Amino acid sequence: GQQLNQSPQSMFIQEGEDVSMNCTSSSIFNTWLWYKQDPGEGPVLLIALYKAGELTSNGRLTAQFGITRKDSFLNISASIPSDVGIYFCAGQLYYNFNKFYFGSGTKLNVKP
Amino acid sequence: NAGVTQTPKFRILKIGQSMTLQCTQDMNHNYMYWYRQDPGMGLKLIYYSVGAGITDKGEVPNGYNVSRSTTEDFPLRLELAAPSQTSVYFCASSAGLAAYNEQFFGPGTRLTVL
Repeated sequence: GQQLNQSPQSMFIQEGEDVSMNCTSSSIFNTWLWYKQDPGEGPVLLIALYKAGELTSNGRLTAQFGITRKDSFLNISASIPSDVGIYFCAGQLYYNFNKFYFGSGTKLNVKP
Repeated sequence: NAGVTQTPKFRILKIGQSMTLQCTQDMNHNYMYWYRQDPGMGLKLIYYSVGAGITDKGEVPNGYNVSRSTTEDFPLRLELAAPSQTSVYFCASSAGLAAYNEQFFGPGTRLTVL
């Protein structure tokens, strides 16, 4: 199956700090998605990206679709305690719209 | 709307037992999916359905079966449970397959096979 390499695996930051995480693949993706998963819950979509180079924001979150179409980045500015959770990237291959492939997640911890 | 609901929330099975994980959505979505999430890993697609009566394999279908007799329900069947099937199972639904049709996830079923 497709491998999405997501880094870092976990982060411990202070409230108010900015956070960056990324996702890379050896294959070309048509779509990149970023999800957040709270403990005991299913993932919730944060941002969807559809075009190479696209930069999209959702409040304090900003994500970019890499120019090579093999990577994506998520930034969170001025982190707050409710940002705690696991962030997943997911992608849809350019030749197969039927399936999404997920990264292994970045676990974010925010100290008040 | 309740969205996507899954039952049970937790289950412990013995090796060789069988069970059905239930999934129901009330959004009239045609597309439904089953994923498994192993500890520290992302979600892997088990099976998906594009409408009642139509199902297809995902990335990791072995050991599972599905059926889709109605738009609302998409049960996942484990026939002979194995320790390798210990995981958290998520059901999801969407209005379409393309990425702009957001997938809505249920709260998950945590399954342990001993």
